[in-house]
Amino acid sequence: DQQVKQNSPSLSVQEGRISILNCDYTNSMFDYFLWYKKYPAEGPTFLISISSIKDKNEDGRFTVFLNKSAKHLSLHIVPSQPGDSAVYFCAASAGGTSYGKLTFGQGTILTVHP
Amino acid sequence: DGGITQSPKYLFRKEGQNVTLSCEQNLNHDAMYWYRQDPGQGLRLIYYSQIVNDFQKGDIAEGYSVSREKKESFPLTVTSAQKNPTAFYLCASSPETGFMSYEQYFGPGTRLTVT
Repeated sequence: DQQVKQNSPSLSVQEGRISILNCDYTNSMFDYFLWYKKYPAEGPTFLISISSIKDKNEDGRFTVFLNKSAKHLSLHIVPSQPGDSAVYFCAASAGGTSYGKLTFGQGTILTVHP
Repeated sequence: DGGITQSPKYLFRKEGQNVTLSCEQNLNHDAMYWYRQDPGQGLRLIYYSQIVNDFQKGDIAEGYSVSREKKESFPLTVTSAQKNPTAFYLCASSPETGFMSYEQYFGPGTRLTVT
């Protein structure tokens, strides 16, 4: 049972344009969501997060949107740069006994062409 | 520099042998985690520990064992009972308390190949 899904395995974007990466979840107990970026043969690095009490969080070129009713979040990268090419994972966490545990999606490979 | 180290980066073993993957952190984090990543899949949680001398099974703990004798160290043993041990293994840590505890910091990973 995949509780966090990234339905697009890959995304290709031209440099300077917007990249939109999507993530859907099924567990209504999730209350905190994160995006990680991963280069091959390296560990993921934290990018941006959002709490369920918000619907938007911005950090420079990165913005995460959360639609709780649709159980959907998205990561917008504007403008996209070739250095953004990597695998992007969304992750979610619930409170209670699951405090601190993250459930990850399958990842989306983003390629930004010069 | 504070961070998480995993060694070695690449590890090769024969089928039927146990192997232990190292994970050390100097971030003074209470919680530590082990994940595995397979091609085309997300990270799946193997074991996690929120405090020294305590750990819990994650989603795919069968065939693995861990120990947490020191705050800085969380070694993972891949036993011969693990049916598909070849994978990329990632260790992570996070502060246990407070809002930031959701954000996990990852090591560089160990690629284990069992033949």
